[in-house]
Amino acid sequence: DVKVTQSSRYLVKRTGEKVFLECVQDMDHENMFWYRQDPGLGLRLIYFSYDVKMKEKGDIPEGYSVSREKKERFSLILESASTNQTSMYLCASRPKFWLAGAREYFGPGTRLTVL
Amino acid sequence: GENVEQHPSTLSVQEGDSAVIKCTYSDSASNYFPWYKQELGKRPQLIIDIRSNVGEKKDQRIAVTLNKTAKHFSLHITETQPEDSAVYFCAAIGTGGFKTIFGAGTRLFVKA
Repeated sequence: DVKVTQSSRYLVKRTGEKVFLECVQDMDHENMFWYRQDPGLGLRLIYFSYDVKMKEKGDIPEGYSVSREKKERFSLILESASTNQTSMYLCASRPKFWLAGAREYFGPGTRLTVL
Repeated sequence: GENVEQHPSTLSVQEGDSAVIKCTYSDSASNYFPWYKQELGKRPQLIIDIRSNVGEKKDQRIAVTLNKTAKHFSLHITETQPEDSAVYFCAAIGTGGFKTIFGAGTRLFVKA
């Protein structure tokens, strides 16, 4: 069974702090994603990575950066947290599209509050 | 850019009735359409999916239909039960096969 884990379920940070959210998957998936979930807006893609050290901007990358040094780990970084980044952050992984199907496996989410 | 529109945003049905959620996508190159269910406080989970070479797929009380010409796809839940209450997201895999474009979600309430 695929397991995607996130470093924290709940996080409270102050404005201006640097925040690290970490995601780990155990299924050797090539693709990994960071989404932000807000009521009425669905799931919005922040960044994704299709291979180690590779990253691509999603729809809302401003204020975020990512790191993928190892295949199983994908980190989301808020360089200087702001109150409008208070949200639920979901990580997901997916095998290569043309090999094993394109469904995504989600982590449990991190609810981040920026004060 | 690519987008997926989902309607309605909220749906309330009586237990035993059917529920239908509709989505429209913009990228004609999309060829995979998953549906996710997210219960309160939990992660989204895939419940059914359909590929562009298939018009309909069924799994017990859940079915999905796809109209490629109109770029519409729909989720049908029959004989709804209170445990079907959740937020449902439709999605489409866009050009290149990397990005998943999600709809905004439908909150389904099933009244006992």
